[in-house]
Amino acid sequence: GAVVSQHPSRVICKSGTSVKIECRSLDFQATTMFWYRQFPKQSLMLMATSNEGSKATYEQGVEKDKFLINHASLTLSTLTVTSAHPEDSSFYICSARDQRSGELGETQYFGPGTRLLVL
Amino acid sequence: GNSVTQMEGPVTLSEEAFLTINCTYTATGYPSLFWYVQYPGEGLQLLLKATKADDKGSNKGFEATYRKETTSFHLEKGSVQVSDSAVYFCALSPAAGNKLTFGGGTRVLVKP
Repeated sequence: GAVVSQHPSRVICKSGTSVKIECRSLDFQATTMFWYRQFPKQSLMLMATSNEGSKATYEQGVEKDKFLINHASLTLSTLTVTSAHPEDSSFYICSARDQRSGELGETQYFGPGTRLLVL
Repeated sequence: GNSVTQMEGPVTLSEEAFLTINCTYTATGYPSLFWYVQYPGEGLQLLLKATKADDKGSNKGFEATYRKETTSFHLEKGSVQVSDSAVYFCALSPAAGNKLTFGGGTRVLVKP
C-alpha cells in the first residue's frame, strides 16, 4: 500500500530556533499534501494544504510566516516551524493524496507524525 | 462549518465483544464519510468509507452505514480482537473538495 514517511519522528529544540519536518510519499506521487496538528487527546486540525509547485493554502488562524511549507517535488513537502516557542509543542502529522486519484473525498495516506517539544 | 463528534474513550472491551463507536456530523450538502484507525506507533490508516447516503462501508469486519437522516456514521464490529486495540477517528470530506475534518478520536482497548 501507499506509504508516507515523516522525519524526524521526535525533535526537541530550544525556544527561538527553527525546526524542519519532512514528509515524503515513498511509492507514489502526490500533487497535494496536507499538514495537521494534534494536541494531546484532541482531534487532528488541518493547518495547511500543500500543492506541488505553488504556494500552500493555510487554514484560518494559522500563521503562514510561522509555519513555512514548501512542496518542491511530487514526493516531498516540508514544514518549518520558525522561531519555535513552547506553545508550538505538538504532534504534527502530514498526509499525501495520490495524484492518480480522481473521485471526491479520495483517500489520504498519513505519515506517522512528528512530536515536537520546544523548551 | 463542518464538524464531527464521536464518543470519547477509552472504550475497554473483552475479546469477542461487540464494539460500537458513535459518530455524528454537521455539514452542508453530501459529504463523504470516513473511519480512520491509528495503531500504536503508526500513522492513520483508512479503515472504511462511504460516499453517499445509505452506503455501507466495510473492512476487516468493521462496518459503518451513512445515515443522512440522523447525520451519523457509527462504526461497528461484531467480535473484536486484541489486535483491534487502536485509536479510531471519524472524519468527513465535503462534497466539493478533499479537506478532512476529524472527530476527536476514540481509543479502544481490547483485553484478552
